[in-house]
Order: sequence, then C-alpha cells, then structure tokens
Amino acid sequence: GAVVSQHPSRVICKSGTSVKIECRSLDFQATTMFWYRQFPKQSLMLMATSNEGSKATYEQGVEKDKFLINHASLTLSTLTVTSAHPEDSSFYICSASGHRNTEAFFGQGTRLTVV
Amino acid sequence: GENVEQHPSTLSVQEGDSAVIKCTYSDSASNYFPWYKQELGKRPQLIIDIRSNVGEKKDQRIAVTLNKTAKHFSLHITETQPEDSAVYFCAASPPDNQGGKLIFGQGTELSVKP
Repeated sequence: GAVVSQHPSRVICKSGTSVKIECRSLDFQATTMFWYRQFPKQSLMLMATSNEGSKATYEQGVEKDKFLINHASLTLSTLTVTSAHPEDSSFYICSASGHRNTEAFFGQGTRLTVV
Repeated sequence: GENVEQHPSTLSVQEGDSAVIKCTYSDSASNYFPWYKQELGKRPQLIIDIRSNVGEKKDQRIAVTLNKTAKHFSLHITETQPEDSAVYFCAASPPDNQGGKLIFGQGTELSVKP
C-alpha cells in the first residue's frame, strides 16, 4: 500500500512558540491531504483539507490563522501550529489520497505537548 | 455536513465470542465506509471497508454490512482474540469530490478477555 510519513512523531514546545508538522506521501502523488486532531480517548476530528497549489479548506470552528496549512507540492503538506498554548496539546495526524473515493493513507501522527 | 454516530463506546467480550459495533450516518450521498483499528499512540489501521453499491463484505473473521436505506453499517468480528483489543472507528466519506475525506464515529474500545 501507499506510504505516508509524518514528522516529527513527538514534539514539546513552549507556550507562544510555533511548531511545524510535515506530512509526506512517499510513493504516490497526493493531490489532497487531510489534517486531523485527536484528544486522548476521543475520535479523530477533521481540521482541514489541504489541496496542492490552493488554499486549505478549514472545518467549522478551526482557526485558520492558528493552524496554517501549506501544500506546496504533490508530496508534502505542512501544518504549523502558531502561538501554541497548552490546550493545543494533542495528537495530530495527516492522511493522503491520490484521487476520488480511494482509501486514505495515514501518517504516524505527531504528539504535540505545549508546556 | 456528514455526522457519524457509533455505538457502543465500550465493549467487553470473552475470547471466542463475537463483537458487533454499529454506526449510523446522516448524509445519504456518502458512498464509502471504512473501519479502522487504532492502538494507543499509533495511526489508524484500515481493517475493512465497504462502498455504497455493496451490502456486505467479509474478510476472514471480519465482516461489514451496510444498509443504505436506514443509513447504518456494522462491523462484525467473530472468534475474537485478545489481540483484537483496541479502539475501533467507523467513518463515512462524504461525496464532495475530495477522495479520502473521512468523518469518524466516536470510537469503540473493545476489550477481549482471555
């Protein structure tokens, strides 16, 4: 199957700083990538849809200025958590698909801890 | 938008018994329904999926059924084993031309007791 790599797997940052998370499709071109957030013992919540070469589409209630998404190439999307606060601590996970209605391939996830 | 409800939130069974997890969805145009198994701190792992033109699909001990009229689908695990213990999520893919977009259910924590 297709491989999606997410980096870093864990990151600890201080309040007020920004953190960038990378999501790469290693063996296929991902026209669309998705970013999810998962709190402990909860479900995956879709944050935004990242389309190569265009602006991301954010789900209702997700602050686009706080969660900056860039999808500059067909193999890389980045999520930057700006001015991080302890409540931003969560498990962030990306997925990628190549074309319509195909299986979504997930990255390993990033455990973000803001102290 | 699409909304997915999943029940039960926790499920405990004896090894060898069957486990059933149920989900309902709201958008009748959704056309792809995967099930994922997630172990603590790891990525979701696809275990089975079904498309809206099929009513049932089976893969060894795992089966999924889909009732489009009622807008619900279920996961059936037979002959459960301790290694089946994990959190299971259902999901629905809304038809908005963005393949791979998934709306997840709340999850079911399955515990298989030896």
